[in-house]
Amino acid sequence: KAGVTQTPRYLIKTRGQQVTLSCSPISGHRSVSWYQQTPGQGLQFLFEYFSETQRNKGNFPGRFSGRQFSNSRSEMNVSTLELGDSALYLCASSLGQEKDTQYFGPGTRLTVL
Amino acid sequence: QKEVEQDPGPLSVPEGAIVSLNCTYSNSAFQYFMWYRQYSRKGPELLMYTYSSGNKEDGRFTAQVDKSSKYISLFIRDSQPSDSATYLCAMPGRSGGYNKLIFGAGTRLAVHP
Repeated sequence: KAGVTQTPRYLIKTRGQQVTLSCSPISGHRSVSWYQQTPGQGLQFLFEYFSETQRNKGNFPGRFSGRQFSNSRSEMNVSTLELGDSALYLCASSLGQEKDTQYFGPGTRLTVL
Repeated sequence: QKEVEQDPGPLSVPEGAIVSLNCTYSNSAFQYFMWYRQYSRKGPELLMYTYSSGNKEDGRFTAQVDKSSKYISLFIRDSQPSDSATYLCAMPGRSGGYNKLIFGAGTRLAVHP
């Protein structure tokens, strides 16, 4: 079974731009969660989508948004990029029920200049 | 104060040593606990998953939970250079946010031949 895939793997943007990251979950998984990983703050939860609906949300500004498509693929968008948005963005997929294992993708490394 | 505290290390040990990795948490509502391993340039992968207080063993790995002290540990026996990675403890968020994982800072472990 193919794992979680994320595209692109690396991205360089400048302040003020916007960016869209993509995540394809494991086949059959309906939940996709997004996390931001930085050296200073560690891994922080952004949001979770389940069956095309946002089910949980972390404490990030509204510049961070996401969506999920009917095939469970998910996209995350960051508008008006700031230097502090430089991070590894990870998505994780699961079946979506309590105690189901979350499987992480390799991440997208975003650098904001 | 963060909900989950973990010493970021780094921790450097010789091959064959017993490694002890620890986390403390503040929310007594946390019911189950996970350990993830993250190799450089990869996403985290689930190592161990445990509910109750006590020990759970899986090969060279033992997860220990002490709910009365809000303290969890991961022990690695006969450590190998291939165990060199960052180890993250994680707990699911409160009330229905079970795919909203709260991570510790991660402990970087280096095992030297």
